[in-house]
Amino acid sequence: GAGVSQTPSNKVTEKGKYVELRCDPISGHTALYWYRQSLGQGPEFLIYFQGTGAADDSGLPNDRFFAVRPEGSVSTLKIQRTERGDSAVYLCASSPRGAGRLYYNEQFFGPGTRLTVL
Amino acid sequence: DQQVKQNSPSLSVQEGRISILNCDYTNSMFDYFLWYKKYPAEGPTFLISISSIKDKNEDGRFTVFLNKSAKHLSLHIVPSQPGDSAVYFCAASVEGSQGNLIFGKGTKLSVKP
Repeated sequence: GAGVSQTPSNKVTEKGKYVELRCDPISGHTALYWYRQSLGQGPEFLIYFQGTGAADDSGLPNDRFFAVRPEGSVSTLKIQRTERGDSAVYLCASSPRGAGRLYYNEQFFGPGTRLTVL
Repeated sequence: DQQVKQNSPSLSVQEGRISILNCDYTNSMFDYFLWYKKYPAEGPTFLISISSIKDKNEDGRFTVFLNKSAKHLSLHIVPSQPGDSAVYFCAASVEGSQGNLIFGKGTKLSVKP
């Protein structure tokens, strides 16, 4: 398919465990974003990659959260020592080249991974 | 403190009538605004956007209006169709932020046949 894909679609884990969430962006998109959507809220920004580097990780809530994009395509969001408050839908989005002065590229979202921490 | 506010959690409209979804913001550094539509179990889908240098953008049945002095934008859907029933998110991007979006909480639109 041509869209953003995310795996798994659902993940149930126990408190204290480690989880990895995967995002496959649209081919050729250099910008990749992770968001988290809690129940009744809008998506909240976590981290932004331009190519392989994390250009902005200011949205990561604490050091239990980490994300990588080693080859500038697929990205993995990693959560250590999960807590019940981490339960949410984790959304990934990609964009042709992010944004800059005088231009903005829309972001295309994947279906999300629903994480439940018991 | 929420920078993007959608004060109406839900809106119900009759098919064929106009739907007006509202959004207020507090950050004067926002330079781009977008509306996303979300169906259950799917990711948000881009609908329409507007740059802060404009006050109106139209795309088919969808029009977005921006009032910078009031820090307010609205999405008009005319005529509304049952397939428009979804949650609509208003989002904004801060100049120089490289595109990461700040979202409102969403408004659930129900269009009744």
